[in-house]
Amino acid sequence: AQSVAQPEDQVNVAEGNPLTVKCTYSVSGNPYLFWYVQYPNRGLQFLLKYITGDNLVKGSYGFEAEFNKSQTSFHLKKPSALVSDSALYFCAVRDRGNTNAGKSTFGDGTTLTVKP
Amino acid sequence: GAVVSQHPSRVICKSGTSVKIECRSLDFQATTMFWYRQFPKQSLMLMATSNEGSKATYEQGVEKDKFLINHASLTLSTLTVTSAHPEDSSFYICSAAWLAGPYEQYFGPGTRLTVT
Repeated sequence: AQSVAQPEDQVNVAEGNPLTVKCTYSVSGNPYLFWYVQYPNRGLQFLLKYITGDNLVKGSYGFEAEFNKSQTSFHLKKPSALVSDSALYFCAVRDRGNTNAGKSTFGDGTTLTVKP
Repeated sequence: GAVVSQHPSRVICKSGTSVKIECRSLDFQATTMFWYRQFPKQSLMLMATSNEGSKATYEQGVEKDKFLINHASLTLSTLTVTSAHPEDSSFYICSAAWLAGPYEQYFGPGTRLTVT
């Protein structure tokens, strides 16, 4: 079984400040972890993923995330937020033992609002 | 990156009619496609997983006779909402992945269905 939690429905941050969007996961084995972003009335766009190797992964638009196995977390971060980063963010997890190509479990999403 | 298209982007239909939504992978062969439903400001609800050439696997609580899914080729999957009712109004999103491909899913832009 696999599950993911995004504890915050909403994150507000001022432009130029660092941002963090939290994600914790649960899998029976080892995880693949993903972040996606959704702009209004659009589909999701892939941001970054952790598959193996370095725990700090860098993705699109200056975002990065750190895989923390002991805390079962994969928080999304950016050093300096932009107003254009305002969107809905989804964390997703897939158990390595899951043989369904691409099938992941998504969190409920976190709305990020960056204010000028 | 891989591109997934959806058609139509927006459709309005009368109660009792059927609507077909197409999902195409434009530059790769999708062995697996997923159909999601999204309510306003809420998470994605996985409806079904379809593998090319075989029957779709529906999630618990999703009526397979109401939401017909066909994945006839490696580049096309269709979702038909049969005898649509106003409660079927929603944002429907497809995504695609492929065996031995990257681990993430690639999403279509979504289809806004309104049933009057």
